Amino acid sequence: KNEVEQSPQNLTAQEGEFITINCSYSVGISALHWLQQHPGGGIVSLFMLSSGKKKHGRLIATINIQEKHSSLHITASHPRDSAVYICAVRSGGGGADGLTFGKGTHLIIQP
Amino acid sequence: EPEVTQTPSHQVTQMGQEVILRCVPISNHLYFYWYRQILGQKVEFLVSFYNNEISEKSEIFDDQFSVERPDGSNFTLKIRSTKLEDSAMYFCASVQILSGNTIYFGEGSWLTVV
Repeated sequence: KNEVEQSPQNLTAQEGEFITINCSYSVGISALHWLQQHPGGGIVSLFMLSSGKKKHGRLIATINIQEKHSSLHITASHPRDSAVYICAVRSGGGGADGLTFGKGTHLIIQP
Repeated sequence: EPEVTQTPSHQVTQMGQEVILRCVPISNHLYFYWYRQILGQKVEFLVSFYNNEISEKSEIFDDQFSVERPDGSNFTLKIRSTKLEDSAMYFCASVQILSGNTIYFGEGSWLTVV
């Protein structure tokens, strides 16, 4: 069973700061997802990674398969980035395996 | 932007009652999932569904839970006899194919068992 750990659990930063959220997992995976959950509860997929690095706007996600570690970076953070960011992994077993989720990082960006 | 729709958005039910949560996945998607999130806790996998049958289920998904795709578009989660601890947000999700595809979540159905 995969264990997914995120750090930090809570992060408060000033607008414009560079943000890094980390995720580590215990067992080999086929894919890692970064998700965003807003106060209303809805979950939106930001990235799906199996290797390397992806960038979308001010968001960058990286993964190191050997070290079982991924990071989500936000450049030029803005108050609208305030949300819970969740790392979730799919095991390497194939099939329609469900995702295993981390507890999330609660990010607050202050103006 | 395609979306997964869920109904109801919020339901309050008496303990012991049956509840059906409904989901309409994105039309060309092949894999469907139910997840739940108890208030203040992390999201947990319940069940995955592919090719009209359960592909995988977690230990949470016991005999009181069932899923079906009755008409080729809706995907339902039934809880036969609700308990207080079933109170949670239930998310439906769908994926077109497994490799390289985004997972889409519905807005969730908030179930309160009283």
